[in-house]
Amino acid sequence: DAGVIQSPRHEVTEMGQEVTLRCKPISGHNSLFWYRQTMMRGLELLIYFNNNVPIDDSGMPEDRFSAKMPNASFSTLKIQPSEPRDSAVYFCASSLKGGTGELFFGEGSRLTVL
Amino acid sequence: DAKTTQPTSMDCAEGRAANLPCNHSTISGNEYVYWYRQIHSQGPQYIIHGLKNNETNEMASLIITEDRKSSTLILPHATLRDTAVYYCIVRVVGAGNMLTFGGGTRLMVKP
Repeated sequence: DAGVIQSPRHEVTEMGQEVTLRCKPISGHNSLFWYRQTMMRGLELLIYFNNNVPIDDSGMPEDRFSAKMPNASFSTLKIQPSEPRDSAVYFCASSLKGGTGELFFGEGSRLTVL
Repeated sequence: DAKTTQPTSMDCAEGRAANLPCNHSTISGNEYVYWYRQIHSQGPQYIIHGLKNNETNEMASLIITEDRKSSTLILPHATLRDTAVYYCIVRVVGAGNMLTFGGGTRLMVKP
């Protein structure tokens, strides 16, 4: 099993640019989560999907952030326009809804906005 | 989900048991206790979970007090690779499976 795959692993961009982070969940998993981690705020849940449908996006910081899950094997998190305060590590995780509750995390995408 | 309280940091000698405490005094009857850890620069990793009985797997043991207000994660023979931040989380299984992470305990295993 390849695990949760995220890309890119590292992204450096300039303020105002659009950033797209990608995630491929584990095959067969029907829940997908996007988290953000910073030194100041720790790990924060941004949004999660069940069966490709967004269930709770209350953690999305503002309208500059958007997430989609067009099918069961792919999700994107987009920031437009990006700002320096968006610099963080973004993690994607997947799980089986109603299962043991174990989340499997990807290796993360480290974003730096200059 | 119930709030948890963990020490900010702990040290442990290599080869000794690491005992990481967690208080969850407001836990509800249908909430499980989960433990995850995050090794530097990696994504969080599931360790173990339990409801009220003690649990053991290849990574660790979980001891939950009878009143369920606290628990202890035990790494029986800590190695340098166990140096990580350990998160204790309580949540209802099946309720979306989302996890709310607190500050965790930073465990330093020393030679």
